[in-house]
Amino acid sequence: AQKVTQAQTEISVVEKEDVTLDCVYETRDTTYYLFWYKQPPSGELVFLIRRNSFDEQNEISGRYSWNFQKSTSSFNFTITASQVVDSAVYFCALSEALNYGQNFVFGPGTRLSVLP
Amino acid sequence: NAGVTQTPKFQVLKTGQSMTLQCAQDMNHNSMYWYRQDPGMGLRLIYYSASEGTTDKGEVPNGYNVSRLNKREFSLRLESAAPSQTSVYFCASSEADRVSLNTEAFFGQGTRLTVV
Repeated sequence: AQKVTQAQTEISVVEKEDVTLDCVYETRDTTYYLFWYKQPPSGELVFLIRRNSFDEQNEISGRYSWNFQKSTSSFNFTITASQVVDSAVYFCALSEALNYGQNFVFGPGTRLSVLP
Repeated sequence: NAGVTQTPKFQVLKTGQSMTLQCAQDMNHNSMYWYRQDPGMGLRLIYYSASEGTTDKGEVPNGYNVSRLNKREFSLRLESAAPSQTSVYFCASSEADRVSLNTEAFFGQGTRLTVV
């Protein structure tokens, strides 16, 4: 079965520090997709990035970057120069095929607090 | 741009009462989902619908029923609420089908349900 582990339950950093959120996944599929979502205090889930298993290139988007390594089954997320607005719960998710469609298997989430 | 709209946002039920959570999406997506979010457990799939007229159980379906009324709407019903169903419920939709697993899910704002 698919599984996503986010070992860091809570992280606190001071504004402008860099922070990395860890994600480790388990799957027997050769083709799969990984996602990161952000859940700010308002509660909605915001999609951040999608990555497929064939593309191990790291990606940078502004202050955000993602490091995907198949060899270690990890898909880590780094925020550079963190800001208070980055405070949220961050979820890593893995796409799995179901009988008739797709499911997203979520990790338990990492709560990030950025202190001013 | 409405995206995924779910109602109500908050609800308090007494044990044994019934209620229906409504969800509608305006993105013409094939797949729709109901998840529940509990502290430290991420999001867990209750039911999903890969297309109009089809529904299937997810990881935690007991105590729930669903209806895919049409392509836009997917409702979740609690027939006899129990305190264990106190949770935050999210409706989501995606373009995904059995073949394509690379699409992200779009989420509603969530429903905070308390069963007393």
